[in-house]
Amino acid sequence: DVKVTQSSRYLVKRTGEKVFLECVQDMDHENMFWYRQDPGLGLRLIYFSYDVKMKEKGDIPEGYSVSREKKERFSLILESASTNQTSMYLCASSLSGANPTNEKLFFGSGTQLSVL
Amino acid sequence: AQKVTQAQTEISVVEKEDVTLDCVYETRDTTYYLFWYKQPPSGELVFLIRRNSFDEQNEISGRYSWNFQKSTSSFNFTITASQVVDSAVYFCALGPNNAGNMLTFGGGTRLMVKP
Repeated sequence: DVKVTQSSRYLVKRTGEKVFLECVQDMDHENMFWYRQDPGLGLRLIYFSYDVKMKEKGDIPEGYSVSREKKERFSLILESASTNQTSMYLCASSLSGANPTNEKLFFGSGTQLSVL
Repeated sequence: AQKVTQAQTEISVVEKEDVTLDCVYETRDTTYYLFWYKQPPSGELVFLIRRNSFDEQNEISGRYSWNFQKSTSSFNFTITASQVVDSAVYFCALGPNNAGNMLTFGGGTRLMVKP
């Protein structure tokens, strides 16, 4: 069965801390995505990657960075966490395709991050 | 700019009732894709359907059906004879045909099915 695994289900951090959110997929997918989910706003794309060491900004990249050193792993980094980054973070992956935004997405269970 | 509106933020029904979740979209693209995803309490979004803008046929899958109306820019989702297990947040999403443009999600509709 296909799987996208996020390292933590719940995380509590303090303002100013550097935060790492990890995501691993076992489907040999080319594309990986990080979204944040906020009530009423749906999912908004932070960053995505269509290949190892490649990354593209999404709609709301400010305050975030990403790392993709291996195909199966995509990390989201909050360089200096702030309270407005309190949110649910969802990782997703999809097969390679000419247009990665139109492929079926496979999601992890999410990480609920609270920044105090 | 693309936009997806799910006007119903929460819907509550009693088991066995039929329920329709509305989705209205805006795009300037002539070719695009529409999706529905289900997010159960476990948190993991699950793909339900993808529809190409050229294919306006309605689709039925068991108790689920989708009504795509290009003329009104709507892609509504109906659950027939709802069950408690259908309780979840449902997201509609719009995907452009141009690589490099992003999938746009609606705000989601929380469906609560009571026994």
